[in-house]
Amino acid sequence: AQSVTQLDSQVPVFEEAPVELRCNYSSSVSVYLFWYVQYPNQGLQLLLKYLSGSTLVKGINGFEAEFNKSQTSFHLRKPSVHISDTAEYFCAVSEGYGGSQGNLIFGKGTKLSVKP
Amino acid sequence: NAGVTQTPKFRILKIGQSMTLQCAQDMNHNYMYWYRQDPGMGLKLIYYSVGAGITDKGEVPNGYNVSRSTTEDFPLRLELAAPSQTSVYFCASSYIIGWDRGRQQRYYGYTFGSGTRLTVV
Repeated sequence: AQSVTQLDSQVPVFEEAPVELRCNYSSSVSVYLFWYVQYPNQGLQLLLKYLSGSTLVKGINGFEAEFNKSQTSFHLRKPSVHISDTAEYFCAVSEGYGGSQGNLIFGKGTKLSVKP
Repeated sequence: NAGVTQTPKFRILKIGQSMTLQCAQDMNHNYMYWYRQDPGMGLKLIYYSVGAGITDKGEVPNGYNVSRSTTEDFPLRLELAAPSQTSVYFCASSYIIGWDRGRQQRYYGYTFGSGTRLTVV
């Protein structure tokens, strides 16, 4: 069965500092990987996704993530954060499409708080 | 194009009351999902549907029911509300975004609604 582990529940960081939000997954088959962002009192917005091809994926708002199959990781990074990046970030995995395989399995989330 | 629309946005229920959370999408997506989000727990799948007339249980289906009479609508029903159902509920649908040559299958993206915040007292 699939599972997603986000290693940090909260990450405080100062503005303009780099940040890495960690995500590890477990699955017996190849997966598709996603990062979503949720701003306070809002829904989920897709940041980026890995489906196939290049393991370095660039998303919106200057975020990027790297798929590492051997380490089963998909860490999210940003070289310089802004106050507006304060939000909760969710890593999610899907094994494919068809029946239950297309369902997204979410991690528990990481709250990023950016301080001035 | 409205995307995925959820109503209501907020609701307070008394224990034992029933209600239906509405979800509608206008994108002709076959797959639809209901998730609940609890603090520190991420999102957990309640039910999903692969098309009109077909539904299946997710990870946390107890206390909920769904139906899918049309492609557009996927309502979630709470028959006897309990405090444990206090949560934020998200509906989603999925759509084709490409073709995976290696796995010879289509892959999909997901669109989420803005959520329904439910409190049971």
